[in-house]
Parts: sequence; C-alpha cells; structure tokens
Amino acid sequence: DAGVIQSPRHEVTEMGQEVTLRCKPISGHDYLFWYRQTMMRGLELLIYFNNNVPIDDSGMPEDRFSAKMPNASFSTLKIQPSEPRDSAVYFCASSLLAGGANEQFFGPGTRLTVL
Amino acid sequence: KQEVTQIPAALSVPEGENLVLNCSFTDSAIYNLQWFRQDPGKGLTSLLLIQSSQREQTSGRLNASLDKSSGRSTLYIAASQPGDSATYLCAVRRGETSGSRLTFGEGTQLTVNP
Repeated sequence: DAGVIQSPRHEVTEMGQEVTLRCKPISGHDYLFWYRQTMMRGLELLIYFNNNVPIDDSGMPEDRFSAKMPNASFSTLKIQPSEPRDSAVYFCASSLLAGGANEQFFGPGTRLTVL
Repeated sequence: KQEVTQIPAALSVPEGENLVLNCSFTDSAIYNLQWFRQDPGKGLTSLLLIQSSQREQTSGRLNASLDKSSGRSTLYIAASQPGDSATYLCAVRRGETSGSRLTFGEGTQLTVNP
C-alpha cells in the first residue's frame, strides 16, 4: 500500500482565497483524521470520520473550515476564505476500526502558506 | 483536559550515545501511548505503541516504557546514529476506539552529531 496520500504537498495562496486539501486514506481503514501543526500550538486534531461520517469536529477552528468524506477513499478539508493565521502544515491520518494496536498512520502533510 | 509535556525540547548528542526522551501526561486514564518520529518537512512515522496494560515495548534500538500511574513514558535510543536525528513526539489516547482523540506533546528535537 502507498500509505496515506495527501495533495498538494505545498500550497501558497492569498488571503481570501479558497483552499482545498485532499487526502486518500490507506485502503481498508475505517477512520480518517485531519490534524493541523503549527509552531505555536503543536499538533491539533481538527476533525475525524468513521465510515465516512464526521464523528468529532470540535477541533475545527471556525466556520471557515469544513471537511467532507464522500467515500471511503477520499476526503477534503476546505478553508474559505483563507487567512494568514491558517498557515500551517495539515496532516491526514487513517487507522483501522478494530484489531491490531489502532495505530494512526500519517500522510506527508500539506504545507499551507496564506499570504 | 489531558496535557502532554515532553522534555527536553531539544537535545544534541554525539554519535554512539545512549539517550532518553521523556514524556509526561496529566491524566493517567489513558488507553495507550504512541511514540512518533517526524523528519523535517515530512509526516509522522509511528515508532512504538504501548497499551495501558503494558510496561514497555521494544523495536530494534528503541525501547519505550510506560508508567501509567505516574503519568510518564520514556523513549530510550541505544547507540544513537546521525540518521536518528528528527523530532520525536509522544501522543496519548484516551479511549478504546480508534477514533478517540490523540493528544500530542510538542516534541523533542534530537540531533545526533557524527
């Protein structure tokens, strides 16, 4: 398996623009997580899905952020409109529902810069 | 609210040294604890996961211990190598299901000098 795939790897945009980040989880994984990493706040969970359904979105900072998972192999995190303080690295991770050690496997991240 | 602290924030050692990274958490009611490695500009790679009922896990030169009652975990790296240079993060999970929240520490940035 190729692991968790994220695109784009880097995104530079201007304030006010819409940004869409994409994630493909590991095939067969039932949970998908979106994290944000900044120097100031470290790694924070934004939202997670189970079987394509959002379970906990309490980490989503504002209404400008939205996430969808239309099917088991694809999720998006959208920021509209973007602001400079949204600049961060956004990670997607996935894990199995049961069995094993419930480890989360992370993608390489999308580095977002909002000018 | 669970808080995870990692000490030191940064560590620089010569190649070949054995070293210990520390992680502490405020709420001992955890399901498991996971150690990750993050290389610059890259994602997180899972190194070791310790269930709450376990006291340690080993993988190669890495050994992670867990003292749940005192809220502490250590990651021991034996015979360190320059390739071990990275940021090491610990994270604790509260519940049993995969979806329960992972709370991360801020990481220890390790540099192993040749």
